[in-house]
Amino acid sequence: GAVVSQHPSRVICKSGTSVKIECRSLDFQATTMFWYRQFPKQSLMLMATSNEGSKATYEQGVEKDKFLINHASLTLSTLTVTSAHPEDSSFYICSASRPGFSYEQYFGPGTRLTVT
Amino acid sequence: AQSVAQPEDQVNVAEGNPLTVKCTYSVSGNPYLFWYVQYPNRGLQFLLKYITGDNLVKGSYGFEAEFNKSQTSFHLKKPSALVSDSALYFCAVRDKRGNQFYFGTGTSLTVIP
Repeated sequence: GAVVSQHPSRVICKSGTSVKIECRSLDFQATTMFWYRQFPKQSLMLMATSNEGSKATYEQGVEKDKFLINHASLTLSTLTVTSAHPEDSSFYICSASRPGFSYEQYFGPGTRLTVT
Repeated sequence: AQSVAQPEDQVNVAEGNPLTVKCTYSVSGNPYLFWYVQYPNRGLQFLLKYITGDNLVKGSYGFEAEFNKSQTSFHLKKPSALVSDSALYFCAVRDKRGNQFYFGTGTSLTVIP
């Protein structure tokens, strides 16, 4: 149980375009979802925390107008990178927590974004 | 402030030898502690956690970790390393009041055949 999926696993887009990444909790309802960014050989950097039906809370230094997060249901959160630039190329990982197990996070497999 | 330190960027160990990946933490109150493993271009896989109880925690793939409150450490160990254990390992801590995880910088483990 507690499986989190991400789609797509890899995406290549042109500079200036927008790309949407989906994060789904497959077998549980996620009270909270988290979005992380990971640069090569570096740790995970928390970008934002989202709760279903409310606005996401962004970490300091993360542009909320550039990284749009929508948590429309208890099983789906989306991250949209708007007007992508090559420096946005990274590995994006989402995670989710569930009721009664809030001390744990369940991680998705990640999405490799390459902006050309 | 909450933080996690993994003092070693790289650990090399011969196959069959015991391995240790170090982690120390700083968090207010009693922490929840986690170890995750990441293979190239993959997400994080859960290995084990300490929430409460016995300080020695056993997890997946033969890994274990010992919570040491006095030293604020949670080192990951395995008695006999396998080549397939080669990966990137992350220690994480979450304080009991909040919901946020704090990750260490990761330790790259290489098991040499």
